[in-house]
Amino acid sequence: SQTIHQWPATLVQPVGSPLSLECTVEGTSNPNLYWYRQAAGRGLQLLFYSVGIGQISSEVPQNLSASRPQDRQFILSSKKLLLSDSGFYLCAWSVGDEQYFGPGTRLTVT
Amino acid sequence: GQQLNQSPQSMFIQEGEDVSMNCTSSSIFNTWLWYKQDPGEGPVLLIALYKAGELTSNGRLTAQFGITRKDSFLNISASIPSDVGIYFCAGSRGSNYKLTFGKGTLLTVNP
Repeated sequence: SQTIHQWPATLVQPVGSPLSLECTVEGTSNPNLYWYRQAAGRGLQLLFYSVGIGQISSEVPQNLSASRPQDRQFILSSKKLLLSDSGFYLCAWSVGDEQYFGPGTRLTVT
Repeated sequence: GQQLNQSPQSMFIQEGEDVSMNCTSSSIFNTWLWYKQDPGEGPVLLIALYKAGELTSNGRLTAQFGITRKDSFLNISASIPSDVGIYFCAGSRGSNYKLTFGKGTLLTVNP
């Protein structure tokens, strides 16, 4: 069966510091991978998606970036965090229309 | 961009009551999905619908893919306290790897 992991689970970072969130998927090959952000108040905002190694599509211009160095690894990064980057970050995978989400990372920028 | 209108935004019900929520769109979708998110966790896929008119059940949950392909509803029968959470609808047009999400329905169940 497939599983998806995210770490860290929680993170508190000062403004201006760098960020690296990691997501890995097990039990499937060549999945589509996604990064979402969920601010307080619920909506899911798609940030990036990838249909293959090295292929990244950005949905929202911002100070975040994503990379996919391996088939089942997806990384979300920032060089300098802003207060507005706080939120709940979710990674998801799909093979087809159904997307399956990871447990999320709660990021607080102080 | 595409929008999904999900309603109601929130519901407060008593344990044992039935619940209904729906999503509508001005665009056609090929797939409708329903997710539930518990506090502090990632959304979990409840039901996937692939065919217009399709009615699918998963335990106490029932969802339907509207005939026009522009809407879907989710019913929960005989609610229990663990049904508490945020329910999201999502639609896929099948051609661009992305889902369009509704803004969620926050369900509170009073024991």
